[in-house]
Amino acid sequence: ETGVTQTPRHLVMGMTNKKSLKCEQHLGHNAMYWYKQSAKKPLELMFVYSLEERVENNSVPSRFSPECPNSSHLFLHLHTLQPEDSALYLCASSFRSGTGSEKLFFGSGTQLSVL
Amino acid sequence: GQNIDQPTEMTATEGAIVQINCTYQTSGFNGLFWYQHHAGEAPTFLSYNVLDGLEEKGRFSSFLSRSKGYSYLLLKELQMKDSASYLCASMDSNYQLIWGAGTKLIIKP
Repeated sequence: ETGVTQTPRHLVMGMTNKKSLKCEQHLGHNAMYWYKQSAKKPLELMFVYSLEERVENNSVPSRFSPECPNSSHLFLHLHTLQPEDSALYLCASSFRSGTGSEKLFFGSGTQLSVL
Repeated sequence: GQNIDQPTEMTATEGAIVQINCTYQTSGFNGLFWYQHHAGEAPTFLSYNVLDGLEEKGRFSSFLSRSKGYSYLLLKELQMKDSASYLCASMDSNYQLIWGAGTKLIIKP
């Protein structure tokens, strides 16, 4: 148990569906992250919420929309996805300060399949 | 550009020793992380190196050479449960993590 919980564990959706991924951390961290892991590729950082700011990877399509209502909860809203969006989506949290970031704690991920 | 290289897959025998190498090129350097990832589970932190040298932690050790842009993870007395993917990540000058694609380690009896 890493202290970071993701739901659902598995998700199958059609290209016209709208769904949301949820992440919750119980570690008192002040930063939360969404990563995408495709087979045999490096982890790709999608979004960071840190110190009340959102930082995003400009290459992430607008069909992915993050929401962070407080420091413990993070959502990733999905709509009109494409088959190439099928991947493992990992949430992580850490403590960040103005001078750096400590190690990441990950959730178990949501395995997403887009049909 | 920024880049992390590590082998795609390695095979080793139970009870043996294996070394997983990682080379990195990043804009600035604020440390090198290793994570273990069992399929279907959360990746977990193994080690962090920011100074040159070897850090030992039980059966696992991690080495860093900043001048060579090189790190390795050494696993001793291999157990079947060590079968997993091992992720190398370098933290750049902006404290962003640059990840390798991971090394899948297969342990055979």
